[in-house]
Amino acid sequence: GIQVEQSPPDLILQEGANSTLRCNFSDSVNNLQWFHQNPWGQLINLFYIPSGTKQNGRLSATTVATERYSLLYISSSQTTDSGVYFCAVEGGGTSYGKLTFGQGTILTVHP
Amino acid sequence: DTAVSQTPKYLVTQMGNDKSIKCEQNLGHDTMYWYKQDSKKFLKIMFSYNNKELIINETVPNRFSPKSPDKAHLNLHINSLELGDSAVYFCASSHFYSYNEQFFGPGTRLTVL
Repeated sequence: GIQVEQSPPDLILQEGANSTLRCNFSDSVNNLQWFHQNPWGQLINLFYIPSGTKQNGRLSATTVATERYSLLYISSSQTTDSGVYFCAVEGGGTSYGKLTFGQGTILTVHP
Repeated sequence: DTAVSQTPKYLVTQMGNDKSIKCEQNLGHDTMYWYKQDSKKFLKIMFSYNNKELIINETVPNRFSPKSPDKAHLNLHINSLELGDSAVYFCASSHFYSYNEQFFGPGTRLTVL
């Protein structure tokens, strides 16, 4: 099945800093989503972005499907951005119809 | 106006017991899923149902039996619980079973003692 690799595994920031999280995947994708898992364990949808660029407030995402990667940008980080960020993809073949998750990036934002 | 809901939120039980987790979505979606998140936060799909029909069964032990009474509900029944079943179980739904954004419930934390 499709492989998903996220980097960096851990990221520590001071409030107000910017950051970029990366997601590499091993095959073409039908679906790519970014999630934020907050400290209470809730999975929050950030972006549905199998290709192209989207922005939502301080967050934006870009997926370059032909080069098999996606980037999540967080600008002017806040302590409430802390948590785990997951990239998840749906590929074809045996990966059809299901999301395969990366291992996540743990983000800690200090005041 | 909860989109995907699960009950219970926490479940603590003894090894060998049988338990169920319920999931409901009010989004009008056709497809529902169960995912398991282990202690290292790794998330993996277990099952998916489309219009009450099982379409993905991801080599899960047959102690786990999903049931979909209708499109809006997908329950997970677990027999003879083992220590290794301790995890967070997430339900999700999407309009269709491919090329579609999935929305997740709040999760059920299962602890087997």
